[in-house]
Amino acid sequence: NAGVTQTPKFRILKIGQSMTLQCTQDMNHNYMYWYRQDPGMGLKLIYYSVGAGITDKGEVPNGYNVSRSTTEDFPLRLELAAPSQTSVYFCASTVTRGGAAEQYFGPGTRLTVT
Amino acid sequence: GENVEQHPSTLSVQEGDSAVIKCTYSDSASNYFPWYKQELGKRPQLIIDIRSNVGEKKDQRIAVTLNKTAKHFSLHITETQPEDSAVYFCAASEGGGADGLTFGKGTHLIIQP
Repeated sequence: NAGVTQTPKFRILKIGQSMTLQCTQDMNHNYMYWYRQDPGMGLKLIYYSVGAGITDKGEVPNGYNVSRSTTEDFPLRLELAAPSQTSVYFCASTVTRGGAAEQYFGPGTRLTVT
Repeated sequence: GENVEQHPSTLSVQEGDSAVIKCTYSDSASNYFPWYKQELGKRPQLIIDIRSNVGEKKDQRIAVTLNKTAKHFSLHITETQPEDSAVYFCAASEGGGADGLTFGKGTHLIIQP
């Protein structure tokens, strides 16, 4: 299993441009998540999905959109990029053990908006 | 929503000594408390977690304690080694982790040789 994979690893966007961050997992996990991590800070939840066709907002959803058409893929769309969206973006998926949902993270995408 | 406070922001200990990192949470409905280790430029990695029906959990040199009444939980690392140097994050979740995690701001642990 490759686990959780993300593309691209790095990206520089100009203000107002759009892009899609890709996330794929091959573990057949139902739950998937997008977080952002600003420098020196903890991660903040942007959106999550409990299964194909179902998505929900997290703590910081403004400026982002998601879709979940398959179990494996959970892309994050940035429309009209702003400097405040400069961050490292982590995708995660969850395996349930003993009633708790352990989250496993992808390698991250470092995004700079200038 | 949930709010997680983490202290200290930086912790420097001598190799071989113990390190303790503390977190408090605000939502009494939270029931799942994981700890993540993040090395520079890498992804967070789960090192230990605890559910609200347990007061303490141990895995080799790492232990976590939970006080539900006071709404705080702590990470204990004994016999620290250079490879323990990293940023550690606590987190909390109401839905057992399934509805996402609320993270603390992190503790930079420095192991002095």
